[in-house]
Amino acid sequence: EPEVTQTPSHQVTQMGQEVILRCVPISNHLYFYWYRQILGQKVEFLVSFYNNEISEKSEIFDDQFSVERPDGSNFTLKIRSTKLEDSAMYFCASKGDRAGSPLHFGNGTRLTVT
Amino acid sequence: SQQGEEDPQALSIQEGENATMNCSYKTSINNLQWYRQNSGRGLVHLILIRSNEREKHSGRLRVTLDTSKKSSSLLITASRAADTASYFCATEGNRDDKIIFGKGTRLHILP
Repeated sequence: EPEVTQTPSHQVTQMGQEVILRCVPISNHLYFYWYRQILGQKVEFLVSFYNNEISEKSEIFDDQFSVERPDGSNFTLKIRSTKLEDSAMYFCASKGDRAGSPLHFGNGTRLTVT
Repeated sequence: SQQGEEDPQALSIQEGENATMNCSYKTSINNLQWYRQNSGRGLVHLILIRSNEREKHSGRLRVTLDTSKKSSSLLITASRAADTASYFCATEGNRDDKIIFGKGTRLHILP
């Protein structure tokens, strides 16, 4: 069964550095998402992406964050000037249709900012 | 916010018993979904119920939806040790591309 894959599985970075988290969604999916989860707690919506542009974003997704689909397969989340509080699990998800179809998640990237 | 809120936050039951988790939300929805997360892993979709449906079954899972009360429940029957995980409800609105998750219920099945 097709999977969403995320790389790297773990990323350690120093405060103030930029990181890029990578995701390969399921190939025929059209809607892409990034979520964040701190310490196994609440799963927070960051951004949704469709037709090569952001369709929705949360208050968390400020100018520090950006997303890109640089080619037909990858979907990336860039975090500029990382802060300690950006430490979290970041999950990518994709789905095929707009409404009424489930999200398929990757296994996440654990980001640690020191 | 359409965010779902699950209760209880944590639940421990004996293997073989039924587990019930509840979810409440605030705004109108297109559908409500339940996901499972094993520790440190991605979320896995379990079941989706549309706003015009009241009950849905899938194997040992039973989901109900009451749109008048803006609430849903997930029942896992005949629980097994392998059901130990966190369970999240998620709501999808009618007009946007957000799928918003609740805080989850940590379910622990005791052998």
